[in-house]
Amino acid sequence: TQLLEQSPQFLSIQEGENLTVYCNSSSVFSSLQWYRQEPGEGPVLLVTVVTGGEVKKLKRLTFQFGDARKDSSLHITAAQPGDTGLYLCAGAGGTSYGKLTFGQGTILTVHP
Amino acid sequence: DSGVTQTPKHLITATGQRVTLRCSPRSGDLSVYWYQQSLDQGLQFLIQYYNGEERAKGNILERFSAQQFPDLHSELNLSSLELGDSALYFCASSGRGGAVRDTQYFGPGTRLTVL
Repeated sequence: TQLLEQSPQFLSIQEGENLTVYCNSSSVFSSLQWYRQEPGEGPVLLVTVVTGGEVKKLKRLTFQFGDARKDSSLHITAAQPGDTGLYLCAGAGGTSYGKLTFGQGTILTVHP
Repeated sequence: DSGVTQTPKHLITATGQRVTLRCSPRSGDLSVYWYQQSLDQGLQFLIQYYNGEERAKGNILERFSAQQFPDLHSELNLSSLELGDSALYFCASSGRGGAVRDTQYFGPGTRLTVL
């Protein structure tokens, strides 16, 4: 069974601070996706990383896929209250053909 | 807007009942996935269909079943409902036969409450 450990589970910070969310597994994934979810809504895709060592930037968000494709991180620079939400990492591939294996999520709260 | 639609948005029913959740994938996507999200279990994969055929199964209960129709919309049937089935149910879709690098796009979900 493939598992994704996501940490921290909760993060409460002030506007302007930086933060990093980690997603780790003992399994190799062919790709890893990061989603953001608002209460009562579906997860919205932020990025897909597919190559070991890949780094993708989306404005103030930086995503990295580990060299061995077992881990990933999401770094937010100068967080804003609008960044508040649930962040989910999800791995695809390996023994989980087709389906996504999700981490437990990180609830981020950015205070003005 | 992901392009994936789900109905109904909310569903309230009693234990022992049966409900049907509906999903229309993004235009052109052949694969449909169903996920369940609860507070204690997070997002869990239930089942995947590709072009009308079952492709992969997750931890889906025997009381649950799904199908994908020729027009590619999908339905998730939940029967003999229990209190513990209360959760958010999401549908996602992807193209290219659900290959491992395909990105999945999620619908807005159906919130099921079993009383």
